[in-house]
This record gives sequence, C-alpha cells and structure tokens, in this order.
Amino acid sequence: GDSVTQMEGPVTLSEEAFLTINCTYTATGYPSLFWYVQYPGEGLQLLLKATKADDKGSNKGFEATYRKETTSFHLEKGSVQVSDSAVYFCAPTRGNTPLVFGKGTRLSVIA
Amino acid sequence: DTAVSQTPKYLVTQMGNDKSIKCEQNLGHDTMYWYKQDSKKFLKIMFSYNNKELIINETVPNRFSPKSPDKAHLNLHINSLELGDSAVYFCASSQGGLPLHFGNGTRLTVT
Repeated sequence: GDSVTQMEGPVTLSEEAFLTINCTYTATGYPSLFWYVQYPGEGLQLLLKATKADDKGSNKGFEATYRKETTSFHLEKGSVQVSDSAVYFCAPTRGNTPLVFGKGTRLSVIA
Repeated sequence: DTAVSQTPKYLVTQMGNDKSIKCEQNLGHDTMYWYKQDSKKFLKIMFSYNNKELIINETVPNRFSPKSPDKAHLNLHINSLELGDSAVYFCASSQGGLPLHFGNGTRLTVT
C-alpha cells in the first residue's frame, strides 16, 4: 500500500536558519503531494501542494518540489521564524482521500 | 465563521462509558472524515463519508460508529471506551477530495 516517510523530529533551529524537512513516499502511479501544518492547539492546515512531477508548491516562504525520480517532496524554507514553530505533515494523496499522513515533524524555532 | 467545527474540544471520561463527538462543516463539502492522532502525532484515517454514504472504513473496532444525518454533519460515537482510545480525534471535510479542511480536534482522555 501507499506509505510515506518523514524525517524524525524534533527539529530545533535558530531564527533565520535554513529549514529542510525530508519526505519520501511509496505509491503506485503519481499521487498529488501535500504538506500540512499543525500549529499548537489547532487542526491541520494545508500549507502547499504539487499535483504533478516537477511542480513546485510554495506558500508563506515554504517550498517543495515534486521529484518523481526520487519519489520525494522535501519541504524547505530559507529563513525560519519563531511563528513557524509547528508540526509538519507530508501527505501523498491519490483519488479523493489522503489515506496516509507522515508521522509529522515537530519544528521549534528559537529567537 | 468556523468552517469545520467539532464539539467538545476536551472530553474526559472513564473506561466503559459511551461518548459522542460531533462535527459540522459549513463549507458545502460532499465528503467528511474522521482521523485519529495518537500521542506520537501519527495521523490515521478512520472513516470517510461521501454524501452521507460510508466509503472508507479502516480497521477500527466496531465500538466506533460514525453517523451522518446529513451532508454537513458526521458524528462519531464510541461505546465501551478503553484506555487506548485516548487520543486527539480530528474531523475533516473536502470537496472532490482535495484539500482537506480540518477541525481543531477533540482531545479524548479515558481514565
């Protein structure tokens, strides 16, 4: 079945540091790929998405590129802020339902 | 206006009790979901309803019973609660599957 592997957290960075959170997936065919973010005490929110190979999703300074050859969708941000502290989830999606979310990577940004 | 709302936000109860969690969405979406997030932040789908019809039922004990009185509501009823049911339960909705809009979660604690 479909599966997704995210890098283990927690990740602790200083403000303005560069962020990478790795995500690789196993799926038949070419799923859409999503990153969701969960701020403390809230539900998940869509952060960005890419629907086909080589597409780049971007939002709030975050970017991720759909790499078909490496089945990856790594999340990056050039300069993190304290307000980016949250848990990030990678979610390959096929059809109408994301059945699998990554286990989540907790990011803590310190001033 | 809250798009996907769940009640209650916190639920503390004893083993063996029966409890319900309610979910309502005002987005006009045709599909609603229940997800369970355990203490390690691993998010797994439990159920999915499309236009009041059950379309996904993952391996969940039959003590859990979803009920969808109409397209805008998907309630989760749990019988004979067990310690292992303690988790955060998220309701979500979507139109055409993508992306999911999540509620803020219900933290269930079984003592």
